[in-house]
Amino acid sequence: DGGITQSPKYLFRKEGQNVTLSCEQNLNHDAMYWYRQDPGQGLRLIYYSQIVNDFQKGDIAEGYSVSREKKESFPLTVTSAQKNPTAFYLCASMFARGNQPQHFGDGTRLSIL
Amino acid sequence: DAKTTQPTSMDCAEGRAANLPCNHSTISGNEYVYWYRQIHSQGPQYIIHGLKNNETNEMASLIITEDRKSSTLILPHATLRDTAVYYCTLYGGSQGNLIFGKGTKLSVKP
Repeated sequence: DGGITQSPKYLFRKEGQNVTLSCEQNLNHDAMYWYRQDPGQGLRLIYYSQIVNDFQKGDIAEGYSVSREKKESFPLTVTSAQKNPTAFYLCASMFARGNQPQHFGDGTRLSIL
Repeated sequence: DAKTTQPTSMDCAEGRAANLPCNHSTISGNEYVYWYRQIHSQGPQYIIHGLKNNETNEMASLIITEDRKSSTLILPHATLRDTAVYYCTLYGGSQGNLIFGKGTKLSVKP
């Protein structure tokens, strides 16, 4: 089945450690997105990419990094510079042109040890 | 900041229609209204979208006012499984990012 796969579902980070969240899609979508969601809040955009080898900062990019080496993959690294990384992270993808909806993965919940 | 305003929470009796309002008074001419819902600890699920005409699909109906400054999502026969947070958002098809507010927490009660 086509869809977006995020892994792992749960992730724990030690102080000073970088961790990478995986996002893969087989929908042939051009654009991919990373959102952060804190309890009781809406989604905030971290980074997005509309084409391979190009990406843009969202509203809360500090402390995060991404890469887009393949169309299907858009991994997010939470660096040690992100002082409050505990949150629910959501990846999404969509066709870059036209008015089609975003499709979301089931998220990764990151916690601090 | 979100460009849409929604009530924080709503209740609905099982089997009745759930009408979820959304205000978007600063909507641009090329922006579509999108609705998603999020069940606890899952990714948001697309429901429906529209530009200016009313839309209906197997999940819901979307009513957009003539001036496009507000819309209503209608779940015609709500079930317990429709309990979720519902987000109304706008998308113009160019920059590619949606802005999600806090949404409306819909509780369907037996």
